[in-house]
Amino acid sequence: EDKVVQSPLSLVVHEGDTVTLNCSYEVTNFRSLLWYKQEKKAPTFLFMLTSSGIEKKSGRLSSILDKKELFSILNITATQTGDSAIYLCAVMKGSARQLTFGSGTQLTVLP
Amino acid sequence: SAVISQKPSRDICQRGTSLTIQCQVDSQVTMMFWYRQQPGQSLTLIATANQGSEATYESGFVIDKFPISRPNLTFSTLTVSNMSPEDSSIYLCSVTGQAQETQYFGPGTRLLVL
Repeated sequence: EDKVVQSPLSLVVHEGDTVTLNCSYEVTNFRSLLWYKQEKKAPTFLFMLTSSGIEKKSGRLSSILDKKELFSILNITATQTGDSAIYLCAVMKGSARQLTFGSGTQLTVLP
Repeated sequence: SAVISQKPSRDICQRGTSLTIQCQVDSQVTMMFWYRQQPGQSLTLIATANQGSEATYESGFVIDKFPISRPNLTFSTLTVSNMSPEDSSIYLCSVTGQAQETQYFGPGTRLLVL
């Protein structure tokens, strides 16, 4: 059975801290790994990763994939209160393009 | 990325009734999906909405409970039938990006069943 496991489940930090969110997966017919930020209802797309070892960056956020060890990390540097959200990891598989989601990491950034 | 809208944004319904949620995309997309997010849970795929044919449902979801239509490449509906309080969730549609390696989500419909 396909599995996507995120850790930690929740994290509380102070502004300016750096955080690392983890995502491990076991899926058949892997296509890509995606990270999303969810603040209210709709998940907002952050990164799509398909190749090992290539870091994707967007401002203070970055992510990398290790296809040998089957995990990905999402780093956020110099955190701000606006980074408070649930961060979701999802794996897309096969030609059907279905997503299997992890349980998410609830990040709270205190002022 | 495509601009996706959903209607209604939220609704409160009585048990035993049905609600149809609409998903509209501003451009033609190959693949559309419907997800459910129950309170405190992550997203679960309900079905793939296939244009011109019956939707493909995931294990645990059936057509009688969640009928789906997709009449063209920009529009789909999900109906939640004979609702019970357990159906209270956020319902989200998503579409694949041009390269089909990503998915983008609509704003979601928050449903409360009393």
